[in-house]
Amino acid sequence: DTAVSQTPKYLVTQMGNDKSIKCEQNLGHDTMYWYKQDSKKFLKIMFSYNNKELIINETVPNRFSPKSPDKAHLNLHINSLELGDSAVYFCASSLGDGAYEQYFGPGTRLTVT
Amino acid sequence: AQRVTQPEKLLSVFKGAPVELKCNYSYSGSPELFWYVQYSRQRLQLLLRHISRESIKGFTADLNKGETSFHLKKPFAQEEDSAMYYCALSGTGANNLFFGTGTRLTVIP
Repeated sequence: DTAVSQTPKYLVTQMGNDKSIKCEQNLGHDTMYWYKQDSKKFLKIMFSYNNKELIINETVPNRFSPKSPDKAHLNLHINSLELGDSAVYFCASSLGDGAYEQYFGPGTRLTVT
Repeated sequence: AQRVTQPEKLLSVFKGAPVELKCNYSYSGSPELFWYVQYSRQRLQLLLRHISRESIKGFTADLNKGETSFHLKKPFAQEEDSAMYYCALSGTGANNLFFGTGTRLTVIP
């Protein structure tokens, strides 16, 4: 009965490819997020969606495009993958704004070769 | 602009010893401060938040507005405390968390 799930768990792909990571939450939360964790374990917000509406886009290249088909899903599509995109991507959700507890998914380890 | 600083990337203590993970922040308004933890092979999860003023797994953290700090403390470290700890800040009405760079705590048996 996973609260926040992500697929796939691992993704290995070549430079220049386009890939998507899916995220789903069954907590009934209004807000969903995408974070990037680099090789040094630094965790940085990428996007925040509230009720399917983009709230935050933190200086992320426009090769990254989040898509929220409904409140329970926030997918991340990445075009023209680059070596520097290799990282662990975490999806999270919360009941409201950032002051609420965020529930994280297990992460997707993306490796670009 | 908000900023969260965790000066120690790595911290090792012996089992039973006190542990303190440091966190300093910079924010012009009234922040909400949190500690998140990531155990090995587990997802990131909330450990505690300053507003609830509670002790979780023996850990406490006090918000010191004068020193702009939110250090995490435990009097007697246990092996199961070994994990990655992140201090995080949320501004009033803000929609996101700003994380520090994290501290990897290792408790030596």
